[in-house]
Amino acid sequence: GAVVSQHPSWVICKSGTSVKIECRSLDFQATTMFWYRQFPKQSLMLMATSNEGSKATYEQGVEKDKFLINHASLTLSTLTVTSAHPEDSSFYICSASEGGPGTDTQYFGPGTRLTVL
Amino acid sequence: AQSVSQHNHHVILSEAASLELGCNYSYGGTVNLFWYVQYPGQHLQLLLKYFSGDPLVKGIKGFEAEFIKSKFSFNLRKPSVQWSDTAEYFCAGGGSGNTGKLIFGQGTTLQVKP
Repeated sequence: GAVVSQHPSWVICKSGTSVKIECRSLDFQATTMFWYRQFPKQSLMLMATSNEGSKATYEQGVEKDKFLINHASLTLSTLTVTSAHPEDSSFYICSASEGGPGTDTQYFGPGTRLTVL
Repeated sequence: AQSVSQHNHHVILSEAASLELGCNYSYGGTVNLFWYVQYPGQHLQLLLKYFSGDPLVKGIKGFEAEFIKSKFSFNLRKPSVQWSDTAEYFCAGGGSGNTGKLIFGQGTTLQVKP
């Protein structure tokens, strides 16, 4: 089956620093990758959609200069939280779809727990 | 506006009881619907999906869901739950357009008592 990995699985950082999270599709090429944020006991909220080789599309209310997304290859997308603050602490989840958007299934990574002190 | 809503936030059942989790959607056009499960400490896994065709969809682990267009519903069912079904269940919808974005429901916590 399609497997998506994330690294790191958890990270603790000081306020003001930047943190990079990697999302990899291990056994398929991901045309599109998605980044979500999940608060405790709540649902997933889509942050942005990234396609390989093009700029990410951010959802309304998501600061693109704060959450930098790079989809460098068909198997790797990165999310960088710049100048992190305690309110950025959350569970960040990526997903990837292997085919064309709109009709394909998303496969989810295990998530990254970010804690900003 | 597009939305997905799940009515039951927390469901507690005994083993062997039947399960039905509600999901309603609001979409302007053709919609693709999914049910995902998140077991404690694990990542989201796909249970089943509906794109078109037979409105009764069978998924893994004995789960099924029925797409009822007239009711804008896609309820998840299982005839007999097990303790191992304890998890968070998410309904999600995506338009069949060119974005592939998913909108998730609020999630339902299912607790199965042995």
